[in-house]
Amino acid sequence: DAGVTQSPTHLIKTRGQHVTLRCSPISGHKSVSWYQQVLGQGPQFIFQYYEKEERGRGNFPDRFSARQFPNYSSELNVNALLLGDSALYLCASSSYLTGGNTIYFGEGSWLTVV
Amino acid sequence: DQQVKQNSPSLSVQEGRISILNCDYTNSMFDYFLWYKKYPAEGPTFLISISSIKDKNEDGRFTVFLNKSAKHLSLHIVPSQPGDSAVYFCAANSGGSNYKLTFGKGTLLTVNP
Repeated sequence: DAGVTQSPTHLIKTRGQHVTLRCSPISGHKSVSWYQQVLGQGPQFIFQYYEKEERGRGNFPDRFSARQFPNYSSELNVNALLLGDSALYLCASSSYLTGGNTIYFGEGSWLTVV
Repeated sequence: DQQVKQNSPSLSVQEGRISILNCDYTNSMFDYFLWYKKYPAEGPTFLISISSIKDKNEDGRFTVFLNKSAKHLSLHIVPSQPGDSAVYFCAANSGGSNYKLTFGKGTLLTVNP
């Protein structure tokens, strides 16, 4: 069975540009969450979607947005990129809305903003 | 405001010995705790978890201990192997209406042959 898949794996963008990152959850998982990990820190929660509805939002500016599609895949969009947005963006997939140990991460998308 | 703290940035142990990674938390609403292992250029891999109603959970070489009164948990790896060398993250979840994990900053474990 395929795990959580993310694309692209690496990308370089210029300040002010827009980026879209994509995630496909594990088959059967209806919840997708997004995390940002900057160097030397643990992952920081950005969004959670369950059954195509936003169920949680972390402390990130409105430049960050996301959505979940009918097939439970998800996109994370970041507008007006800043140098500080350079990070590893992780997608996590889970089968239940709350709690438990069924949270699995993809390998991430490395974003560099220059 | 760091709600999950891993105060040791790094730990070095000899192969075959015990590795003990520590984690402290401040939010008493946390009711589920997870440990993840991360290699460079890869996403975090789930290792082991524990519910707040337990004080110990074992899975092979990995054991997690939870001391709720001290708001402290630890991960024991016995025996340590060179392949265990990675960054270990402690994470906590408060259940409720969303699935937000709060992570510590991680501890780099190096197991020397």
